[in-house]
Amino acid sequence: QKEVEQNSGPLSVPEGAIASLNCTYSDRGSQSFFWYRQYSGKSPELIMFIYSNGDKEDGRFTAQLNKASQYVSLLIRDSQPSDSATYLCAVNEEGGGADGLTFGKGTHLIIQP
Amino acid sequence: DAGITQSPRHKVTETGTPVTLRCHQTENHRYMYWYRQDPGHGLRLIHYSYGVKDTDKGEVSDGYSVSRSKTEDFLLTLESATSSQTSVYFCATSYEGTGVYEQYFGPGTRLTVT
Repeated sequence: QKEVEQNSGPLSVPEGAIASLNCTYSDRGSQSFFWYRQYSGKSPELIMFIYSNGDKEDGRFTAQLNKASQYVSLLIRDSQPSDSATYLCAVNEEGGGADGLTFGKGTHLIIQP
Repeated sequence: DAGITQSPRHKVTETGTPVTLRCHQTENHRYMYWYRQDPGHGLRLIHYSYGVKDTDKGEVSDGYSVSRSKTEDFLLTLESATSSQTSVYFCATSYEGTGVYEQYFGPGTRLTVT
């Protein structure tokens, strides 16, 4: 059974600092990796995806992928109170393409003003 | 925002009654999904669809059925609702444009089975 593990938190970070969110996955054949943000009572919102080893940057967000270690991370620079939310890591299976994603349970991030 | 709507947004029903949730999308995305989200379990895939009349089971499909008669609509049916199906249900869509099939979510339906 495919598993995606995240620390549930809460992770508390001061405003303006870097928030680091981590995720590990069990299926070595996983191809693509996604980070979603979910505010309380709302639906998940795609932040970014990554499929190659290394870093991918989009504004204040950087996703990092290490397939050898089966590890994905999301860095949020210059954290703002509006970044306070639950962050979900998701992966799709080897060759799965359009099959459903496997999600972690999420990390609750709190940005302290 | 992939132009996804879900109806109803909230529903309270009694054990044993049938319930149908509707997902409607205006983006012409080929792939559609139903997930449920529960505390302590995260998001779990119920059923998904590769296209009209082409569906498959996900991780937690027992007690649920789906239908897709048009590209834009994906229906989730609970034939006889049970209290364990109290949950928040999310529909999602994706397409093959970027090659990674990223998914976009609807606003969700909160279902309570009493």
